[in-house]
Amino acid sequence: LAKTTQPISMDSYEGQEVNITCSHNNIATNDYITWYQQFPSQGPRFIIQGYKTKVTNEVASLFIPADRKSSTLSLPRVSLSDTAVYYCLVGDETGRRALTFGSGTRLQVQP
Amino acid sequence: NAGVMQNPRHLVRRRGQEARLRCSPMKGHSHVYWYRQLPEEGLKFMVYLQKENIIDESGMPKERFSAEFPKEGPSILRIQQVVRGDSAAYFCASSPRGANNEQFFGPGTRLTVL
Repeated sequence: LAKTTQPISMDSYEGQEVNITCSHNNIATNDYITWYQQFPSQGPRFIIQGYKTKVTNEVASLFIPADRKSSTLSLPRVSLSDTAVYYCLVGDETGRRALTFGSGTRLQVQP
Repeated sequence: NAGVMQNPRHLVRRRGQEARLRCSPMKGHSHVYWYRQLPEEGLKFMVYLQKENIIDESGMPKERFSAEFPKEGPSILRIQQVVRGDSAAYFCASSPRGANNEQFFGPGTRLTVL
């Protein structure tokens, strides 16, 4: 299973752009990269998923370099409500390998 | 389309009792996953099931824990003879396809063992 490494915590202020980088040196050819967000006392919520280059949706952007050994989740103009734990996961598409959640990155947004 | 449902939301058991946690996946989803989360920690995968079949139980303790996802009805995570170390939040997720597909999580069941 590809292991992921993320910063334990990050601090930001409202209105700033936040970039959270995840390392996954052992990512396999079939693996996709997925990010989830979790608020206290709630289940995680899917944010974005990608395989290579750049993916953007209404919530975030995901940047994946050519070697795919890392990825960066970009949150534009964060607000207080973005304070949460963010998890980076890698997993294949076959469905037979389970996803592994690391410890995540605890983002604290200050006013 | 209702989201993933879990019940009960809170469960209190005394040591030695059994705990049964239920998960109803989203409509149309045939893949169910169970995770355990201790306070201030990330989610730990336990088991992955696809209608009546266990696909991956590599994260499930060998003893006292079992899971099923019958053809009809919710998925059940069963913990026999609970111990204090079983106290945690147990999350269920479902997806329409495989493990790498977007997983939709339920609100969790918080198990407290006295």
